[in-house]
Amino acid sequence: TQLLEQSPQFLSIQEGENLTVYCNSSSVFSSLQWYRQEPGEGPVLLVTVVTGGEVKKLKRLTFQFGDARKDSSLHITAAQPGDTGLYLCAARRVLHGSSNTGKLIFGQGTTLQVKP
Amino acid sequence: NAGVTQTPKFQVLKTGQSMTLQCAQDMNHEYMSWYRQDPGMGLRLIHYSVGAGITDQGEVPNGYNVSRSTTEDFPLRLLSAAPSQTSVYFCASRPSGGPGDTGELFFGEGSRLTVL
Repeated sequence: TQLLEQSPQFLSIQEGENLTVYCNSSSVFSSLQWYRQEPGEGPVLLVTVVTGGEVKKLKRLTFQFGDARKDSSLHITAAQPGDTGLYLCAARRVLHGSSNTGKLIFGQGTTLQVKP
Repeated sequence: NAGVTQTPKFQVLKTGQSMTLQCAQDMNHEYMSWYRQDPGMGLRLIHYSVGAGITDQGEVPNGYNVSRSTTEDFPLRLLSAAPSQTSVYFCASRPSGGPGDTGELFFGEGSRLTVL
């Protein structure tokens, strides 16, 4: 059972289209991150959201953290071929009565292909 | 800047052979971790360390050993390789706690391992 469920797993769109990727869970998280990974490289952090309802923008990318801190979305406006890659959400659970060791749990990823 | 360096980048093993994946970081990060990445499963945590001399298990530790004798190095050992360990392995690090810790994980470029 995947603690973090990403959808869709694959997405192939034309340049200029908009898209949204979802990251859902039944658990509450203290923070949630989105990473982007290109072939042959390691993931690179795009954004961290911490507060329920928080919205962050990074150029054409908009990230939202759910009010209950259980889910998040990534919206890309007017996708470009350079947006092609694997998008991963990752989160730390809220740990009660124990120290936060910093373990990140990753979703299974969304592979995005943007065709010219 | 070197960041997180992994070696080797590619390795082919026969079932039962042993090997060590090397990971070194030059950012003085306390926290280091190893993930494996398999298609459709995202990144799964194998082992992690919050500082020199301290290691702990992640989600999928069986078949792997780690040690942390210095802050900089965190090698991953496969004592008797199995085909199920065919995967791409990523080492990642971050500061641990304190105002400089944004939670961002810094990844190496990965080591692709094939076990025949």
